Amino acid sequence: DAGVTQSPTHLIKTRGQHVTLRCSPISGHKSVSWYQQVLGQGPQFIFQYYEKEERGRGNFPDRFSARQFPNYSSELNVNALLLGDSALYLCASSLWTTNTEAFFGQGTRLTVV
Amino acid sequence: AQSVAQPEDQVNVAEGNPLTVKCTYSVSGNPYLFWYVQYPNRGLQFLLKYITGDNLVKGSYGFEAEFNKSQTSFHLKKPSALVSDSALYFCAVRAPSSSASKIIFGSGTRLSIRP
Repeated sequence: DAGVTQSPTHLIKTRGQHVTLRCSPISGHKSVSWYQQVLGQGPQFIFQYYEKEERGRGNFPDRFSARQFPNYSSELNVNALLLGDSALYLCASSLWTTNTEAFFGQGTRLTVV
Repeated sequence: AQSVAQPEDQVNVAEGNPLTVKCTYSVSGNPYLFWYVQYPNRGLQFLLKYITGDNLVKGSYGFEAEFNKSQTSFHLKKPSALVSDSALYFCAVRAPSSSASKIIFGSGTRLSIRP
């Protein structure tokens, strides 16, 4: 089975632009979460989606938004990019239970210049 | 509020020696605890988890971790380190009341195994 897949793997954007990152979860997983990992830090929770509904949101500005599609894939959108948005963006998929682990994709490396 | 602390930014061990990567946590109620490993330019790979039951849990690649409720710790261990174990290790916690994927990560510990 394929794992969590993310696209693109690398991306360079200019300040003020908009970016869309994509994630396909493991087959059978209906929950998708997004994390931001700034260099030298642990991942920080951004959003969780389950059955196309937002189920959790971290402490990120409204410039960050996401959605989940009927096939459970997900998009993360970031508007008005800032230099500080440069990070590795990780997508995780899981079953909708609290006692199971989340499986992560390889991430999208976003560089804002 | 949930939190995870990894007090060591880096741990250096000689190949063949035992290794320990420390983790302490703070969460209301009984925690769900995880260890993940990250290789350069890669995502996170799941190593092991503690949900309930035996305090010593075994995971991938020969790693194990010991849950200590009184000390609120969940240290990662391996009896004999390999050079290929060199990577960035993250301890993580999820409160039972949290949604399935909202995980709080520590700041990470870089493990360096010298030949």
